[in-house]
Amino acid sequence: SQKIEQNSEALNIQEGKTATLTCNYTNYSPAYLQWYRQDPGRGPVFLLLIRENEKEKRKERLKVTFDTTLKQSLFHITASQPADSATYLCALDPNAGNMLTFGGGTRLMVKP
Amino acid sequence: DTAVSQTPKYLVTQMGNDKSIKCEQNLGHDTMYWYKQDSKKFLKIMFSYNNKELIINETVPNRFSPKSPDKAHLNLHINSLELGDSAVYFCASSRGTGMNEQFFGPGTRLTVL
Repeated sequence: SQKIEQNSEALNIQEGKTATLTCNYTNYSPAYLQWYRQDPGRGPVFLLLIRENEKEKRKERLKVTFDTTLKQSLFHITASQPADSATYLCALDPNAGNMLTFGGGTRLMVKP
Repeated sequence: DTAVSQTPKYLVTQMGNDKSIKCEQNLGHDTMYWYKQDSKKFLKIMFSYNNKELIINETVPNRFSPKSPDKAHLNLHINSLELGDSAVYFCASSRGTGMNEQFFGPGTRLTVL
């Protein structure tokens, strides 16, 4: 069966460290993968998109990697800040029609 | 200047009732979506609507129906509400289909008693 798995346990890190979140998928061959941030009581906010032919994408303190062999994407936040505390969702589009399928999200807590 | 707005923000109703949630986007996008986020925080696509073409997630009961009076609006109608319909419903929009980022509304928390 098709699955998108993110670590359901919260990730707690110290301010200034690098946070690394994992998204694994099974039985999909996505052309791209997206990452979103969701704060409590709010809708998800788009962060980054990475295509299948891209190994890495960066935006300010954010970095995403995409390994289609391992069927995995890693999401990194360098020099993390308490304001980065949120739930991070990965999403892929199984049929290239923008009907996104989301993972369950990983909650990140950055402690000062 | 809210990009994607939804009303109401909270909706509490009795089982069996019919209700609607409204969504409007001022981004000029031509594709809109409805998602359901359940108590375990899983976000699931319900519908995609692009230029009068509706794509339905096959798991969505036919009690749910989207209605689009124009390109900027996609309302969600729910008939015969059930307890399991309690969730947060998010509207979203994007520029076309394909690999475009989606802009989400603030969500509508529906509680069915």
